[in-house]
Amino acid sequence: ILNVEQSPQSLHVQEGDSTNFTCSFPSSNFYALHWYRWETAKSPEALFVMTLNGDEKKKGRISATLNTKEGYSYLYIKGSQPEDSATYLCALNSGGYQKVTFGTGTKLQVIP
Amino acid sequence: DGGITQSPKYLFRKEGQNVTLSCEQNLNHDAMYWYRQDPGQGLRLIYYSQIVNDFQKGDIAEGYSVSREKKESFPLTVTSAQKNPTAFYLCASSIDGYNEQFFGPGTRLTVL
Repeated sequence: ILNVEQSPQSLHVQEGDSTNFTCSFPSSNFYALHWYRWETAKSPEALFVMTLNGDEKKKGRISATLNTKEGYSYLYIKGSQPEDSATYLCALNSGGYQKVTFGTGTKLQVIP
Repeated sequence: DGGITQSPKYLFRKEGQNVTLSCEQNLNHDAMYWYRQDPGQGLRLIYYSQIVNDFQKGDIAEGYSVSREKKESFPLTVTSAQKNPTAFYLCASSIDGYNEQFFGPGTRLTVL
């Protein structure tokens, strides 16, 4: 089982602050890196699927970067809003159906 | 409205009883997955299915069984052989094994 680590485990930010968190993974056998947002009482929802080294993806105020050579991805949230409060999961796909390993998530709380 | 559903939301069972968790999707996805979440841990893969009438063990399949008789349905049975069945169970589907996964709302199983 591969080791996918996310940091920090949790954080609290003020509304309007920008924030970022990290997903670290073994760089060997890389196929894709997924980011999901999981709001309380809802289902996890896909944010990004990233496959190429140097990939940058953006959705509104949220963006992500990928470095497959050193084995990390950053998720950035610009101008955090209370509705951004959620757990953010990353998942490493190292080769298809079975080879998807989730991190433990970063729980973000945005304080109004 | 396309989506993935799980029922029931909460389930209580006595120790030693088998219990079946339902998962249905109308997204026309070939791939379906079952995950388990425990406090402080990431999602762990129990079973996955690439196509109808086919399924494979994930990382923690012991004590669980599945079937995939229809494309839309992937029920999970938690058997009495599962030593620690109390957990939150999530079902997901995807077009194939490489793309983003779509998750159901989850079932929280408590074994008394």
